[in-house]
Amino acid sequence: SQKIEQNSEALNIQEGKTATLTCNYTNYSPAYLQWYRQDPGRGPVFLLLIRENEKEKRKERLKVTFDTTLKQSLFHITASQPADSATYLCALDMSNDYKLSFGAGTTVTVRA
Amino acid sequence: SQTIHQWPATLVQPVGSPLSLECTVEGTSNPNLYWYRQAAGRGLQLLFYSVGIGQISSEVPQNLSASRPQDRQFILSSKKLLLSDSGFYLCAWSPTSGGTDTQYFGPGTRLTVL
Repeated sequence: SQKIEQNSEALNIQEGKTATLTCNYTNYSPAYLQWYRQDPGRGPVFLLLIRENEKEKRKERLKVTFDTTLKQSLFHITASQPADSATYLCALDMSNDYKLSFGAGTTVTVRA
Repeated sequence: SQTIHQWPATLVQPVGSPLSLECTVEGTSNPNLYWYRQAAGRGLQLLFYSVGIGQISSEVPQNLSASRPQDRQFILSSKKLLLSDSGFYLCAWSPTSGGTDTQYFGPGTRLTVL
């Protein structure tokens, strides 16, 4: 069956360091992969989309890579700030029919 | 610009009572609409999605139902709530064009069934 796995442990980092989150998937070859941010008690917010023919994508201090051979995406937050503390979700369209499958998320805490 | 509204923001209901959560989208036409549930500390579980008025697909068998009476209105209902229905309910929409299914979420409803 198809599966999406994210870092199972919460990530605690010092302000200014780079946080790296992992999203692995199995048994599917998606055309694109998405990352969302969710703050406690709020709905997820779309951050970035990367397509299968793009190796890397950047948005301000965020960088996403997509390795279709490894079936893995890495999400980097550079020069992290306490305001980056949140849960980050990766999402894939694994059935090609308007639905996204979401990973369980990785919670990032940035210490000042 | 597009906006999505959900209400109520919080709800406390007794077991066996009915439920009606409403979601409306503004600023777009013919969106795909979704209902998710998120249990505490857990991931998003897709409950229902709709690609048009009156067209509802159910992902998980349960005592919940959904309806789409208007293009930009999506309603989640239950005739009798169970304790296990407690959770954070999120409505989302995605554009039908563009081909990437990026979803835009509402603020959510926190439901507690006692």
